[in-house]
Amino acid sequence: EAGVVQSPRYKIIEKKQPVAFWCNPISGHNTLYWYRQNLGQGPELLIRYENEEAVDDSQLPKDRFSAERLKGVDSTLKIQPAELGDSAVYLCASSLEGLEAFFGQGTRLTVV
Amino acid sequence: AQSVTQLDSQVPVFEEAPVELRCNYSSSVSVYLFWYVQYPNQGLQLLLKYLSGSTLVKGINGFEAEFNKSQTSFHLRKPSVHISDTAEYFCAVSEGEKLVFGKGTKLTVNP
Repeated sequence: EAGVVQSPRYKIIEKKQPVAFWCNPISGHNTLYWYRQNLGQGPELLIRYENEEAVDDSQLPKDRFSAERLKGVDSTLKIQPAELGDSAVYLCASSLEGLEAFFGQGTRLTVV
Repeated sequence: AQSVTQLDSQVPVFEEAPVELRCNYSSSVSVYLFWYVQYPNQGLQLLLKYLSGSTLVKGINGFEAEFNKSQTSFHLRKPSVHISDTAEYFCAVSEGEKLVFGKGTKLTVNP
């Protein structure tokens, strides 16, 4: 069984440019999470989806971040415009019934 | 809101020595607890979890953890570490349907 797939693995962009990350969760998992992991820190939740509905986006900086999960499967996280402080690893995870989250390998974003 | 404290940011040990990575969480109500491992440039992999039942939980790669409700702790242990255990370890507690993570403990196993 394939795990959570994220792309790209690495991304370097200049500040003020847009960027997008893609996530394909484990087949059948209804819950999808986007976490951000700053250097030397644990992951912090940005947004959680139940199927196609965003049920917890309280930590998502909505002025520049947006996310979508069309048809309750794949998801895209976008930043526009990116700032230097957005440099981090963006992790996607999925779970079935919310008990155990399976993580992708992450996208390391560097904003210069 | 839940919080997780990992008391040691770095733990150096020699190969074949025992190790304990400490984790305390804030809530005294029923919680689910997890330990994840992160190898360099990789995502997080679940080591073990406590949902209910026995307070001693066994996970992959020879790791185990003990849930102590009175001390709100969930310390991770391994009796004999290998070089390949060098990684960062994260303790996490459930808060509703999301996980709240500690800041991580970097375990370095030296030959």
